[in-house]
Parts: sequence; structure tokens; C-alpha cells
Amino acid sequence: DIQMTQSPASLSASVGDRVTITCRASQNIRKYLNWYQQRPGEAPHVLISAVSTLETGVPSRFSGSGSGTEFTLTINSLQPEDFATYYCQQSFSTVPYTFGQGTKLEIK
Amino acid sequence: QVQLQEAGPGLVKSSETLSLTCTVSGGSISNHYWSWIRQPAGKGLEWIGRVHSNGLTNYNPSLRTRVAMSIDTSKNEISLSLHSVTAADIAVYFCARATIGASVYFDPWGQGTLVTVSS
Repeated sequence: DIQMTQSPASLSASVGDRVTITCRASQNIRKYLNWYQQRPGEAPHVLISAVSTLETGVPSRFSGSGSGTEFTLTINSLQPEDFATYYCQQSFSTVPYTFGQGTKLEIK
Repeated sequence: QVQLQEAGPGLVKSSETLSLTCTVSGGSISNHYWSWIRQPAGKGLEWIGRVHSNGLTNYNPSLRTRVAMSIDTSKNEISLSLHSVTAADIAVYFCARATIGASVYFDPWGQGTLVTVSS
């Protein structure tokens, strides 16, 4: 299985801050990397696919970058609704698809 | 837009079989892969497996010996069976469509259903 490791596991920030979350893959996954946001009590929803493609309706303050084994999700000018848990997911290897362990973004 | 809704018993006895269904509405179930993904309380996401509308299945090797998925295109319904459950199977179970773009990602998702295992 391809292991996905996110850092940090948790992060405290304030409204208006810029934050970056890192996701590392245990092997080269090229650009087969997606990011999800999950608020408490809700299902995850996709923010970014294929490293950097913003999904419909996702604010432009979200951006993604990287390739190979290291990827980042950046959120500029944090808004109150951004405080949630974020997951990366690889689709280079389909069986199984794997997720990072999550990064919980909390209000400072 | 496409909506998914999971259903099934919220409580399963240890060593018995967990059975869930996912009903797809607002769109076609055909020509797509549909996945089950689970999440223990306070923990991360685990992909269980997928079923295509043509019946083809792929399972996570960690669960392969206990899991089965099927699809009923006439009912727009996807099913999950997980045999010989233990406390380690307590989780919220989500169904999701695999969307194939430059990468394969899961969208949309159902709201999820909590399954508890009793001893």
C-alpha cells in the first residue's frame, strides 16, 4: 500500500492567517493527489483534485502544489468556515486508494 | 445533482455480518465506480473497496477476505457486506462515487451511517 503522511497532525491559526499542510507519499504518485475538507458530523468533500485543480465552488484562497512524493495544501486568509479537518488521498495505486491521517485545523 | 444515501442496521452483533445499502438519486448509477469508505470515531478514512456498474469489484487487501460488494442498477443501489465483524469495524460508513478526471477522487459522498458492534 502507498502510505500517505500528513503534517502537522493539528494546527492552530487565526482568521486571516495563511496556513500550509503537507502530505508525503511513500512512493512517487506523480500528480494523483487530492485534498478533502471534513467538518464535524459531515462527510468529506473534495477541494482539490490532481494536485492543483480547484473543484467547482471551492474558494480561490485554497491552492495545492507538488508532485512525486511531496504535496502541499495552502489556505490564504483563513475564514471561520475553514476550521475543519483536511485529508489528502492518492489515486496512483487504485487498490487500495489511501488517505493521509488528517490535519485538524483549529482556531487559535 | 447526484445524491447518495446510506442505510442499514446501526447495530450488529460481533461475529455477524454488517449489511448496508447506498441508494443513488438524481443521476445514473451506470458507467461509474462506487466506493465504500469508513471512518472510526475521531480517526481517518479507510477505503473499503469499489464496485462498477458492470459488477466488477476491487477490495482493500486488508478486508478482502471479509467483504463483498454488489450493485443493482434497476434499483440504483449499491450494497456492502462485511462478515465476521468485531469492535474494530465500528465506524461511520460512507458510500461515494469515484469521479475520474486527471486523478480519481470521491465526489459526491453520502452523509454516512454509524455502525456499532455489540459483543
